[in-house]
Amino acid sequence: GQNIDQPTEMTATEGAIVQINCTYQTSGFNGLFWYQQHAGEAPTFLSYNVLDGLEEKGRFSSFLSRSKGYSYLLLKELQMKDSASYLCALMDSNYQLIWGAGTKLIIKP
Amino acid sequence: DAGITQSPRYKITETGRQVTLMCHQTWSHSYMFWYRQDLGHGLRLIYYSAAADITDKGEVPDGYVVSRSKTENFPLTLESATRSQTSVYFCASSGTENQPQHFGDGTRLSIL
Repeated sequence: GQNIDQPTEMTATEGAIVQINCTYQTSGFNGLFWYQQHAGEAPTFLSYNVLDGLEEKGRFSSFLSRSKGYSYLLLKELQMKDSASYLCALMDSNYQLIWGAGTKLIIKP
Repeated sequence: DAGITQSPRYKITETGRQVTLMCHQTWSHSYMFWYRQDLGHGLRLIYYSAAADITDKGEVPDGYVVSRSKTENFPLTLESATRSQTSVYFCASSGTENQPQHFGDGTRLSIL
């Protein structure tokens, strides 16, 4: 079967860097997605990794290691508006997304 | 650019009632999805559709019915609502099966 784990909650300071980890187990893999979801709002797409390595998009970067079943989302120069839940989602062999429960990120001034 | 819209945004109904949640997208995306989101769980796929007149069950389809007569619309019907179906429902769409999915604003459904 498939399983995705990510921390329930993290706290970081404005201006700092935070790394949100996601580990997974799967028999089929077609990519790893990260989404951001502010409270009461829809998830919005952040990044997609299908090959090993780092993908950088401005203040946000995402890393994937398929052999280790591991990904992380790195957020730099944290801003208060980055307070949100971050969802890790695995695309399985049937191209369906299997979602983690999300990591709630709290940013303190 | 309207994107993807869901209606209603909020709905309160009683057990045993039928309720339909609407989803409309203006991108002509082939793929459309229905998810429910509950505290402590990740998003769970209810049904999806690869094209008009093609629908498939997801992880939690029981108690739900979908149809897709037109590419742009993908309504979700709860035929006889139960309290366990109280949730936030999100509709999403994507151009191809492995492109990012884009979400509507959600429908918060309460069943009393």
